[in-house]
Amino acid sequence: DAGVIQSPRHEVTEMGQEVTLRCKPISGHDYLFWYRQTMMRGLELLIYFNNNVPIDDSGMPEDRFSAKMPNASFSTLKIQPSEPRDSAVYFCASSLVLDTEAFFGQGTRLTVV
Amino acid sequence: GENVEQHPSTLSVQEGDSAVIKCTYSDSASNYFPWYKQELGKRPQLIIDIRSNVGEKKDQRIAVTLNKTAKHFSLHITETQPEDSAVYFCAVTSGTYKYIFGTGTRLKVLA
Repeated sequence: DAGVIQSPRHEVTEMGQEVTLRCKPISGHDYLFWYRQTMMRGLELLIYFNNNVPIDDSGMPEDRFSAKMPNASFSTLKIQPSEPRDSAVYFCASSLVLDTEAFFGQGTRLTVV
Repeated sequence: GENVEQHPSTLSVQEGDSAVIKCTYSDSASNYFPWYKQELGKRPQLIIDIRSNVGEKKDQRIAVTLNKTAKHFSLHITETQPEDSAVYFCAVTSGTYKYIFGTGTRLKVLA
């Protein structure tokens, strides 16, 4: 397996624009996590899915953020409208079960200007 | 909900010395305690983990200890080398609760 795959690797967008981040988890993994990493707040869990179903989205900062997992091999994180304070590295991770190793994608570095 | 605190936030040690990073958690149901290493510009990767039925685990120069009563666990790196310089994150989860990370420790190993 190629591991967790995220796209794009880098995204620069203007304030107010819609941004969509994509993730392909490792095949067979039942859990998918979206994290946001900043210097100030470290790795924040935004939302996680179990078998494509959102389990906990309490970390999603505002209604501007939404996430979907239409099938076992694809998830998206959308920000609409984007703001400069959304600038961060967004990681997707997947795991076989909840209490085991989480495998991270390469991350998407988002810059909102 | 679960709360994870990690200390220190930065740590500088001389090459060859030991480094210790500590995390405390709040939920007694937590049962899995991994440690991740993140090199600059890279993704976090697991380096060692421990489960609640074990008190200590060692893998070459790294070890993790768990004190369930006090709800804390620690990462120990012995004989540190320059390539150990990175950011280290602890994490906590249970079989039914979300995967929470500590705030990270930036370790610098001085040659």
